[in-house]
Amino acid sequence: EVQLVESGGGLVQPGASLKLSCVASGFTFSDYWMSWVRQTPGKTMEWIGDIKYDGSYTNYAPSLKNRFTISRDNAKSTLYLQMSNVRSEDTATYYCTTRTNWFAYWGQGTLVTVSS
Amino acid sequence: DIQMTQSPASLSASLGETVTIECLASEDIYSNLAWYQQKPGKSPQLLIYYANSLNDGVPSRFSGSGSGTQYSLKINSLQSEDVSIYFCQQNYDSPLTFGGGTKLELK
Repeated sequence: EVQLVESGGGLVQPGASLKLSCVASGFTFSDYWMSWVRQTPGKTMEWIGDIKYDGSYTNYAPSLKNRFTISRDNAKSTLYLQMSNVRSEDTATYYCTTRTNWFAYWGQGTLVTVSS
Repeated sequence: DIQMTQSPASLSASLGETVTIECLASEDIYSNLAWYQQKPGKSPQLLIYYANSLNDGVPSRFSGSGSGTQYSLKINSLQSEDVSIYFCQQNYDSPLTFGGGTKLELK
């Protein structure tokens, strides 16, 4: 059974940095592209970016690429999202997903709240 | 960016009814469209991909259609467990974009 478990969310102050993790199991993590997608409190969905199965290529939403970095450790079956200089509009639930042509499997999400 | 416009934003229907949700792309996306269902308090789940292909385990009362810029999701014989938010998403061009969602409730 495919499982994706995100962690690292919480309350963070504007301007701070935060690193989210997603531990994968039930499939060969190193064979899959992976993505991060976020959902605002108003339920708007936003794709953040993708990372190739070997970590050699990343692609980001243009509005986020200067502040967000996606990486992975295939030995640990773990996907990461490094967020820097966070803003109130980054408040959202962050999901990791498998990325074939579609977002086939999703984690349960981790909530990030940006507030002073 | 390709804009995805979903309608209606909310929908109330009775058990057993047929409902249709529309998704309009700002340019031709050549059927590179998926539909997701998000039940209350849960993560989204892939329902349909390539506009009309049913994902494994999805009940046959769900169907997708469309081409070019216009796509739709149809739910036949509405069940109580279909109460959800439904999203369309285009995979044709980066950045990948989602519709605003349709909240489906029971009347």
